Amino acid sequence: AQSVTQLGSHVSVSEGALVLLRCNYSSSVPPYLFWYVQYPNQGLQLLLKYTTGATLVKGINGFEAEFKKSETSFHLTKPSAHMSDAAEYFCAVSSPGNRDDKIIFGKGTRLHILP
Amino acid sequence: DAGVTQSPTHLIKTRGQQVTLRCSPKSGHDTVSWYQQALGQGPQFIFQYYEEEERQRGNFPDRFSGHQFPNYSSELNVNALLLGDSALYLCASSLVPTEAFFGQGTRLTVV
Repeated sequence: AQSVTQLGSHVSVSEGALVLLRCNYSSSVPPYLFWYVQYPNQGLQLLLKYTTGATLVKGINGFEAEFKKSETSFHLTKPSAHMSDAAEYFCAVSSPGNRDDKIIFGKGTRLHILP
Repeated sequence: DAGVTQSPTHLIKTRGQQVTLRCSPKSGHDTVSWYQQALGQGPQFIFQYYEEEERQRGNFPDRFSGHQFPNYSSELNVNALLLGDSALYLCASSLVPTEAFFGQGTRLTVV
């Protein structure tokens, strides 16, 4: 069974500071990994994804994440936080190669940006 | 392209009633998945439809059922509503597993 653990339900950073949101996954097969963002009263928007190949993936709005198999991690980073980054972020995993492409989400991390 | 559209955006139902939520997938997408997102939680997979059949199902009771139409649109039905069914219901469509697009969701409140 697959699962995702997001460390920290709330993270606060100052505007201009580094953003680091932590995600660890569990999967018995090679995973596909995702980060989604959700703004208040909105659906989910895909930030970035890892499927195969390069382990450092770049997404929209300056975010990137690195797949580390040895650490079963897929942490999300952004060098300089902007006020517009305040939102809920979800790490997720799926395994389409196993004909099981449902997405399993973590509980989310709410990112607060301090002025 | 309108993306994934869901209707209604909000609704309030009474315990014991039945509800139907609707989803129109992104143009060209043939797979529709439904998720339940309780307040303060991550989305949880309910089921997935492909070629008008339920292909996968999460850990939800039989009160939750669905349907997919020939035009790939989908409905989620919930019978005998409980207070605990109050949540944001999200629909996602995809053509390939690595690219799921989500709608804005339907906020269901059961009173």
